[in-house]
Amino acid sequence: AQSVTQLGSHVSVSEGALVLLRCNYSSSVPPYLFWYVQYPNQGLQLLLKYTTGATLVKGINGFEAEFKKSETSFHLTKPSAHMSDAAEYFCAVSFTVQGAQKLVFGQGTRLTINP
Amino acid sequence: EAGVTQFPSHSVIEKGQTVTLRCDPISGHDNLYWYRRVMGKEIKFLLHFVKESKQDESGMPNNRFLAERTGGTYSTLKVQPAELEDSGVYFCASSHNRGPETQYFGPGTRLLVL
Repeated sequence: AQSVTQLGSHVSVSEGALVLLRCNYSSSVPPYLFWYVQYPNQGLQLLLKYTTGATLVKGINGFEAEFKKSETSFHLTKPSAHMSDAAEYFCAVSFTVQGAQKLVFGQGTRLTINP
Repeated sequence: EAGVTQFPSHSVIEKGQTVTLRCDPISGHDNLYWYRRVMGKEIKFLLHFVKESKQDESGMPNNRFLAERTGGTYSTLKVQPAELEDSGVYFCASSHNRGPETQYFGPGTRLLVL
């Protein structure tokens, strides 16, 4: 069965510091992996996704993630945090049921940026 | 292009009452999904429509929940009667194809059952 674990429900970094949000997954088949972000009072927005090909994936707002099969990880990083990055971040793995995609989410990580 | 919209944004009801949530997917998207996040827990899949047909409703908690998508456009999710444990945020998402494609999410409906 597919599952996702996000290490740390809350992460706090200083403005300008490295952002690292951890995600480990369990999947019996090659995974498709996603990072979504939810800003206050908004819906989930796709940051980036990995399906096949290059394992380092670049997304919006300067975020990137690297798929590491040997470590079953898909950690999200950004070199320099900005105040506008404060939000909740969700890692998700998808699997196919009857030809259609179903998302399984991690618990979410709330990112706080300190000035 | 308009995104996924959900109505209402918030709903506060008493235990035993009925609530109906609505989702309007992105125009042309055949796939429509409902998810729920109970406070402090992860976002969980409820069900999936392809056009007007229920493709997968394995995540529906019990028979107090009824989802419909008449005409293959908007969808409604009715909770009747509501219980305290139904409180949470209900998200709707849509996608065009069935493959590993991005699901576009709405802002969610925050339901509080007192």
